[in-house]
Amino acid sequence: DTGVSQNPRHKITKRGQNVTFRCDPISEHNRLYWYRQTLGQGPEFLTYFQNEAQLEKSRLLSDRFSAERPKGSFSTLEIQRTEQGDSAMYLCASSPTGSVVGAQFFGPGTRLTVL
Amino acid sequence: EDQVTQSPEALRLQEGESSSLNCSYTVSGLRGLFWYRQDPGKGPEFLFTLYSAGEEKEKERLKATLTKKESFLHITAPKPEDSATYLCAFPRDDKIIFGKGTRLHILP
Repeated sequence: DTGVSQNPRHKITKRGQNVTFRCDPISEHNRLYWYRQTLGQGPEFLTYFQNEAQLEKSRLLSDRFSAERPKGSFSTLEIQRTEQGDSAMYLCASSPTGSVVGAQFFGPGTRLTVL
Repeated sequence: EDQVTQSPEALRLQEGESSSLNCSYTVSGLRGLFWYRQDPGKGPEFLFTLYSAGEEKEKERLKATLTKKESFLHITAPKPEDSATYLCAFPRDDKIIFGKGTRLHILP
């Protein structure tokens, strides 16, 4: 399968714990995006990378959130001191540089539940 | 504020009953309007990009159209496997802004 992959698919954690998610984009794609989606809402942009450079961060991305993309390959999204409001689906997408913006290819997501 | 508004929020149709989903937009300098399909527990799947009023695109039982104020996703003779949430979206800078979606349920 050459699509975007995300791990884990589901994560249940207790409030206050740290969690880390991984995204592996389509191999030839330079751009990688993180979105968050809650029930009944569309995905909301969190941050994006072009190669290893993080180019934009949403105000939704509080200081407890950090994302990295070492060597411009896979990316990780870490949430420190999780809160119940962090419960959501975390989606990763990738696209080739210079593509039509709409052609972002999404992974299956990681569903986070904070108890 | 630039945004898209989708209606209805949810739609139940009998198999074979054609209908349309609406996406009205207020976006300055629209550079494209997108439709995505999302199945439960999965990421959105890209369907179409529309760039200018009057443009139409088709894929199987789906046809997307664009006017200066809204976009429609027409579904002709739907089947149960067309059940999903359909998301309308637009690009802003290098990211995508999504609407809340229309949940479509096709009854056999």
